[in-house]
Amino acid sequence: AQSVTQPDARVTVSEGASLQLRCKYSSSGTPYLFWYVQYPRQGLQLLLKYYSGDPVVQGVNGFEAEFSKSNSSFHLRKASVHWSDSAVYFCVLSGGMLSGSFNKLTFGAGTRLAVCP
Amino acid sequence: EAAVTQSPRSKVAVTGGKVTLSCHQTNNHDYMYWYRQDTGHGLRLIHYSYVADSTEKGDIPDGYKASRPSQENFSLILELASLSQTAVYFCASSDGTGGTYEQYFGPGTRLTVL
Repeated sequence: AQSVTQPDARVTVSEGASLQLRCKYSSSGTPYLFWYVQYPRQGLQLLLKYYSGDPVVQGVNGFEAEFSKSNSSFHLRKASVHWSDSAVYFCVLSGGMLSGSFNKLTFGAGTRLAVCP
Repeated sequence: EAAVTQSPRSKVAVTGGKVTLSCHQTNNHDYMYWYRQDTGHGLRLIHYSYVADSTEKGDIPDGYKASRPSQENFSLILELASLSQTAVYFCASSDGTGGTYEQYFGPGTRLTVL
């Protein structure tokens, strides 16, 4: 069975500060990993995705994430946050072709980010 | 711009009543999905469909039915609404299935069952 854990339900940072949102996953096969963001009163939007290759992937609006197979992690980072980054961030896992869960998305519980002026 | 719309955006229903949530996509996508989100939890898949007039069960289908009358439209039906079905419901669409295909989400429907 695959699972995603986002250990921080809420994170508060000051505008201009750096950010890391943590994500740990469990998957029997090679994982496909995503970060989605949900702004208030909107649907989820894709920030970035990792399939293979360079473990650091770049996304929209200055976000990046680093995949670590040894740590089973896919943490999201941003060098300098803006107030408009306040939202809920979801780490999402899809199992690889051999895992039996290729067609299934497993969502973490989400981390609510508040950026203070 | 990919677009998924949902109606209504919020609804209050009575226990035992029938509820229909509607989803419409203009992406020309084959796959459509219904998820529910409970406070403090991630999204869980209820039903999905990859072709009109056919639906498949997801992880938590009990108490829900789905209908896909056309490629663009996908409905979620609660025949006998219960308190435990109070949640936010999201519809999504994708061009294919599997980890390589991005899913595009609607804005959600907040359902309260009293």
